Amino acid sequence: EPEVTQTPSHQVTQMGQEVILRCVPISNHLYFYWYRQILGQKVEFLVSFYNNEISEKSEIFDDQFSVERPDGSNFTLKIRSTKLEDSAMYFCASSGDRGLVPYFGAGTRLSVL
Amino acid sequence: AQRVTQPEKLLSVFKGAPVELKCNYSYSGSPELFWYVQYSRQRLQLLLRHISRESIKGFTADLNKGETSFHLKKPFAQEEDSAMYYCALRPTQGGSEKLVFGKGTKLTVNP
Repeated sequence: EPEVTQTPSHQVTQMGQEVILRCVPISNHLYFYWYRQILGQKVEFLVSFYNNEISEKSEIFDDQFSVERPDGSNFTLKIRSTKLEDSAMYFCASSGDRGLVPYFGAGTRLSVL
Repeated sequence: AQRVTQPEKLLSVFKGAPVELKCNYSYSGSPELFWYVQYSRQRLQLLLRHISRESIKGFTADLNKGETSFHLKKPFAQEEDSAMYYCALRPTQGGSEKLVFGKGTKLTVNP
């Protein structure tokens, strides 16, 4: 079964540093998403991306965040200047089309020190 | 506002016992509802989607619009069912593709 792949599985960074979380969505999928889960809290939607642009974003997704699909396979989430409260599990997901079920990656655990 | 509530953070049952994981939602329209499961250190996997009305791994879930609930049930729990279970809602109005998740219930099935 095809899978969404996320790298790295764990990222440790210093406060104020930039991080890039990487995802390889399922081939031929058209919609891409980032979610995050702070420890002990619910999985929260960050952003959806379709046709090379952001289609929806949450209040969490402020100017410190950006997404990019630099080539035909990768989908990245960049946090420009990390804060302690950015420490969370970040999940990438993709779906084949509007209305279809998203498939999730295993997540990247981001630890900001 | 859309909200999903899973009232039980932890649920522990014995193997062979029935299990019910509760999910209530708040949404002004008719939502699309899902159950996702996350086994230890693995990805979130779709377990059920309400419009499919199917049974996966013995689990079923019925949408009750009157009670705004989508509880997950299995008549005889197995040890391999131990996992985190997340109920999620997708709005059907406004063109949104985002999922709104509950906090999850950790199910432990004891031998």
